[in-house]
Amino acid sequence: GQNIDQPTEMTATEGAIVQINCTYQTSGFNGLFWYQQHAGEAPTFLSYNVLDGLEEKGRFSSFLSRSKGYSYLLLKELQMKDSASYLCAVMDSNYQLIWGAGTKLIIKP
Amino acid sequence: EAEVAQSPRYKITEKSQAVAFWCDPISGHATLYWYRQILGQGPELLVQFQDESVVDDSQLPKDRFSAERLKGVDSTLKIQPAELGDSAMYLCASSLDGSYEQYFGPGTRLTVT
Repeated sequence: GQNIDQPTEMTATEGAIVQINCTYQTSGFNGLFWYQQHAGEAPTFLSYNVLDGLEEKGRFSSFLSRSKGYSYLLLKELQMKDSASYLCAVMDSNYQLIWGAGTKLIIKP
Repeated sequence: EAEVAQSPRYKITEKSQAVAFWCDPISGHATLYWYRQILGQGPELLVQFQDESVVDDSQLPKDRFSAERLKGVDSTLKIQPAELGDSAMYLCASSLDGSYEQYFGPGTRLTVT
């Protein structure tokens, strides 16, 4: 079966750095996505990785290791507005997105 | 900035009633997706359209759910009859041909009582 695993909840302090991990087992791989979702709102696109390595975009970076079936999202200089759920999704061999349940990130002052 | 439009934003209905949701994708986006998201879970694909054609509806409960995109632009998702377990957020998303990035609408939160 296809499976995406990520922690249910994480807590971090404003101004700090947090890393949200995602491991996956899917039938085929055509890229990995990270989306941010504030409570009661729709997901918004953060990043897309299809090759191994680190992609940096401002305060957010995303890393992929295809051989390990592993990705992480790194958030630096945390702000209160970063409190949200972070969804990891993998595009499988049929170009369908398989979604994780999301990691709820709580930022404390 | 172009956005995916959905209506209504909130819907409360009694079980066994019919309910319909509407989605208007970003102009020029040929691919349209309907997802269901239960609180605390990731989105689950219900149906995917390419223009007016259904590409994937393998997870759509066809005994009670139907979806159409008659002119290849806006789309309607219907549930009849609604059941208590249908309470969820229904999300519509669209993407450009050749792009994997999906743009989501604000969603419709359905409560079945």
